[in-house]
Amino acid sequence: AQSVTQLGSHVSVSEGALVLLRCNYSSSVPPYLFWYVQYPNQGLQLLLKYTTGATLVKGINGFEAEFKKSETSFHLTKPSAHMSDAAEYFCAVSVQRGNEKLTFGTGTRLTIIP
Amino acid sequence: ETGVTQTPRHLVMGMTNKKSLKCEQHLGHNAMYWYKQSAKKPLELMFVYNFKEQTENNSVPSRFSPECPNSSHLFLHLHTLQPEDSALYLCASSQDIMINEQFFGPGTRLTVL
Repeated sequence: AQSVTQLGSHVSVSEGALVLLRCNYSSSVPPYLFWYVQYPNQGLQLLLKYTTGATLVKGINGFEAEFKKSETSFHLTKPSAHMSDAAEYFCAVSVQRGNEKLTFGTGTRLTIIP
Repeated sequence: ETGVTQTPRHLVMGMTNKKSLKCEQHLGHNAMYWYKQSAKKPLELMFVYNFKEQTENNSVPSRFSPECPNSSHLFLHLHTLQPEDSALYLCASSQDIMINEQFFGPGTRLTVL
């Protein structure tokens, strides 16, 4: 079975600063990895995903994440935070065999300081 | 309408009421999902339907009863709920259960009094 750990339930960064949200996963087989964002009173929106191929994945709104197998990590970054990035971010994992459910982390709430 | 829609967006009900949540996807997908999102807990997968057939029931109490009349519609019938069932209920869809990228609706915020 797979699992996800998101370090830090709350992260605050200044506007214009680097955003780094951490995600570590556990999986006995090669994983598929996802980052979702949830704005207040909305559902989850896919930011980016890693399936196979290039380990640096670029997503929407300037976010990117790098799959590091040796570290079992898939951290989310953005070079310069914007006020509109304030939201909750969820990392999720499934496995490449398919027919496997998404397992979500507990989420990280990102606050942007003006 | 585009994407995944859910109605109602907010629902308050007593423990003896019967109500239903509705989800509709306009993406041509074949798999649909119900999730429960409670504060400070990971999203909990409740049910999965693939081509209208239920493929997963994640040990959900029988007071929650799903219905999937076709690949575009998913219902969650609620009966004699408990206050601890108060949560955000999210519907999602994907091309099928072999494709893990899921598209989510905005959710129904349920409060059980």
